[in-house]
Amino acid sequence: GAVVSQHPSWVICKSGTSVKIECRSLDFQATTMFWYRQFPKQSLMLMATSNEGSKATYEQGVEKDKFLINHASLTLSTLTVTSAHPEDSSFYICSARDQGGINEKLFFGSGTQLSVL
Amino acid sequence: GEDVEQSLFLSVREGDSSVINCTYTDSSSTYLYWYKQEPGAGLQLLTYIFSNMDMKQDQRLTVLLNKKDKHLSLRIADTQTGDSAIYFCAESKGGYQKVTFGTGTKLQVIP
Repeated sequence: GAVVSQHPSWVICKSGTSVKIECRSLDFQATTMFWYRQFPKQSLMLMATSNEGSKATYEQGVEKDKFLINHASLTLSTLTVTSAHPEDSSFYICSARDQGGINEKLFFGSGTQLSVL
Repeated sequence: GEDVEQSLFLSVREGDSSVINCTYTDSSSTYLYWYKQEPGAGLQLLTYIFSNMDMKQDQRLTVLLNKKDKHLSLRIADTQTGDSAIYFCAESKGGYQKVTFGTGTKLQVIP
């Protein structure tokens, strides 16, 4: 089946530094990728929708200057958490939709656990 | 806005049936999904149902939809230890629309 690779799996960083998370579709082209944030015992919260070659669409309440999204190719989207603070510590998950596919063809990465000290 | 709720935890014995319940608030939801998340892994789509259907069966999985009550359930027959995971209910208004997830139900299967 389709595979979405997310890297790194976990990262620990100091407060004030920036962290980049990569999401790659390995065997399909993804015109649309999604970035979610998941808190313990809570649901996945959609942060933004990333479309290849255009600006990301952010959900209400998500700071676009804080969470920079780049979707430069059909197989790669990146999320950069800028000037990270302890409250940014969370589990971040990306998903990618197979080009032309509907939500049945939505595949998820394995997530990135971010801990900000 | 959309709101999808689930109970947080369910424990069953191996071989028994598991029933995971979900309620949603948006009556315009047209697709309803069940995802499975194993530890340290991403979400895997198990099955989905259109809002004009009452039931969908796929091997050991049975999805029931009560659109009037906005209630969705997932029944796993002959539950195995490998079914232990977190199960997310989700909805969307269309095949290309954003997917809204529930809080997830952690299923523990006791050998």
